[in-house]
Amino acid sequence: ILNVEQSPQSLHVQEGDSTNFTCSFPSSNFYALHWYRWETAKSPEALFVMTLNGDEKKKGRISATLNTKEGYSYLYIKGSQPEDSATYLCAPVETGFQKLVFGTGTRLLVSP
Amino acid sequence: DAGVTQSPTHLIKTRGQQVTLRCSPKSGHDTVSWYQQALGQGPQFIFQYYEEEERQRGNFPDRFSGHQFPNYSSELNVNALLLGDSALYLCASSLGRAAEETQYFGPGTRLLVL
Repeated sequence: ILNVEQSPQSLHVQEGDSTNFTCSFPSSNFYALHWYRWETAKSPEALFVMTLNGDEKKKGRISATLNTKEGYSYLYIKGSQPEDSATYLCAPVETGFQKLVFGTGTRLLVSP
Repeated sequence: DAGVTQSPTHLIKTRGQQVTLRCSPKSGHDTVSWYQQALGQGPQFIFQYYEEEERQRGNFPDRFSGHQFPNYSSELNVNALLLGDSALYLCASSLGRAAEETQYFGPGTRLLVL
């Protein structure tokens, strides 16, 4: 069973602050990792799919890095805005499986 | 493109009843996965359908069953409802089953079992 941990559980920052979250997972049998943003009352929104060690992806002010050897991924938000307030979920996938195994997420609140 | 749609949005049932939830995938997508999100937890994988067959299953009892139709839409059925089945049920669609394919989620069906 894949054990996925995300930290911190929640985060409250001011507009303009930069922030980052961590997703930890067992490094053996790793195949891919998905990041999602989930705003209240909306559908989870796909941010990135990462597969290669050292991979770095960017979408606007949000970027993510992946270290498959040590089993972690970082998500960075530069210059947080109130509209970034959401829960950020990571979901690694094991080799041989197609199911996403979600962490419990990091809840971000950005105050104006 | 309508994206992934789910119905109903909310549902209230009593213990022992049966429920059917529906999902229409994003246009062109042939794979549908179902997830359960209980309060305070991340979504948990229930099962995945591809070519009208269940291809992979999570750690859920046989009370949870599904179906995929030729148009790729899908149903999730839960029999003999328990209080613990109260949760948000999410459907996700993708083009193919590969792990690196992005899964697009619907808004979910919130089920309350009394």
